[in-house]
Amino acid sequence: QKEVEQDPGPLSVPEGAIVSLNCTYSNSAFQYFMWYRQYSRKGPELLMYTYSSGNKEDGRFTAQVDKSSKYISLFIRDSQPSDSATYLCSTLGRQGAQKLVFGQGTRLTINP
Amino acid sequence: EAQVTQNPRYLITVTGKKLTVTCSQNMNHEYMSWYRQDPGLGLRQIYYSMNVEVTDKGDVPEGYKVSRKEKRNFPLILESPSPNQTSLYFCASSQIGGGSKQPQHFGAGTRLSIL
Repeated sequence: QKEVEQDPGPLSVPEGAIVSLNCTYSNSAFQYFMWYRQYSRKGPELLMYTYSSGNKEDGRFTAQVDKSSKYISLFIRDSQPSDSATYLCSTLGRQGAQKLVFGQGTRLTINP
Repeated sequence: EAQVTQNPRYLITVTGKKLTVTCSQNMNHEYMSWYRQDPGLGLRQIYYSMNVEVTDKGDVPEGYKVSRKEKRNFPLILESPSPNQTSLYFCASSQIGGGSKQPQHFGAGTRLSIL
């Protein structure tokens, strides 16, 4: 079983829609959760970072972690064509360790 | 500008011909790491380094070597490349410590094709 599972999509939605991207993870020791955004022909860049359970909001983006169900979500409100990219969920388990474990990535297209 | 620089960006080569992909960061980060990205498999860690002269295997180290002689550089070496090493490679770096996790900064990627 993969440590982090993510539906690879592709996902295509109209501009202005609310987008929901989801991941599940297997190890209850994971505490740090991140979403990276990767544009075509570019390296991943950190989008959102959360610790333990709860929500974190940054502009149109909300990251949500439910540790009881080992579920990670990223919501994008008022989606824009510039949000078209691959979104990678990631976890980092142990304090002092830097190893990232990534989901497969979801390719998202926002249609004008 | 803070950045992670990889070279080359693209390389087509043949089986068995040794190659090195360089990675350099200008942020004085302790931690550096190499990943490969393949369709359906996502990003997988190859090797990482917590500091100069400290390296360790990631999830898919077979067929790769690394070295960390200087803090800013972390080259990835393929001694005898094979076609199954055809992939998109990313180098990343981050600080360690400070009481919270530091984000990893990624390079732009190196696309390797081994024929």
